[in-house]
Amino acid sequence: GAGVSQTPSNKVTEKGKYVELRCDPISGHTALYWYRQSLGQGPEFLIYFQGTGAADDSGLPNDRFFAVRPEGSVSTLKIQRTERGDSAVYLCASSLLGRGNTDTQYFGPGTRLTVL
Amino acid sequence: AQSVTQLDSHVSVSEGTPVLLRCNYSSSYSPSLFWYVQHPNKGLQLLLKYTSAATLVKGINGFEAEFKKSETSFHLTKPSAHMSDAAEYFCVVSGAYGGSQGNLIFGKGTKLSVKP
Repeated sequence: GAGVSQTPSNKVTEKGKYVELRCDPISGHTALYWYRQSLGQGPEFLIYFQGTGAADDSGLPNDRFFAVRPEGSVSTLKIQRTERGDSAVYLCASSLLGRGNTDTQYFGPGTRLTVL
Repeated sequence: AQSVTQLDSHVSVSEGTPVLLRCNYSSSYSPSLFWYVQHPNKGLQLLLKYTSAATLVKGINGFEAEFKKSETSFHLTKPSAHMSDAAEYFCVVSGAYGGSQGNLIFGKGTKLSVKP
């Protein structure tokens, strides 16, 4: 079956612009996670959705970052007034049940964001 | 708080020789531990996971890892390296919910090179 997909695969933008990154989770997965992977580092947690609600957004670095999942499936990560330091690969993962369970998180290929 | 330390940023082996990638963890709870692999331009793939069952965990592609609580270690091994094993490997801990899944916390990664 289809895995987690993310679009676009690459995004180049200018400092100060607004960007949206999209994640399509595996069908039927209730939990969705966003991570950010900077060059040479492991992924870092940003936000976790259980269904439509953001159950944990403690990893978002500041209020320029926002994410939604209005119908409990597709999610969009939104970054306002982008800065060069936002350049990274943004990864999305989904799992069947989410926290409190031992199910596996499946990752998408990521969106590489470059802020010039 | 949970954390992982991958002791080597780069490991180089010859094809056909054993692989050892080292990982130590820190967790206030009984942890869930994972190894993920990331090939260039591909998404993270789960190799194996430990969730408080058998301490010797077998994964895909001939990899295995042993959970050693006394040493707080979860080293990844493979008896014989293959060229296709060349990739970045991440040790991951999750345990904010008493052994069940929370947010994944990644190590910085170990790049495995395999020489012919």
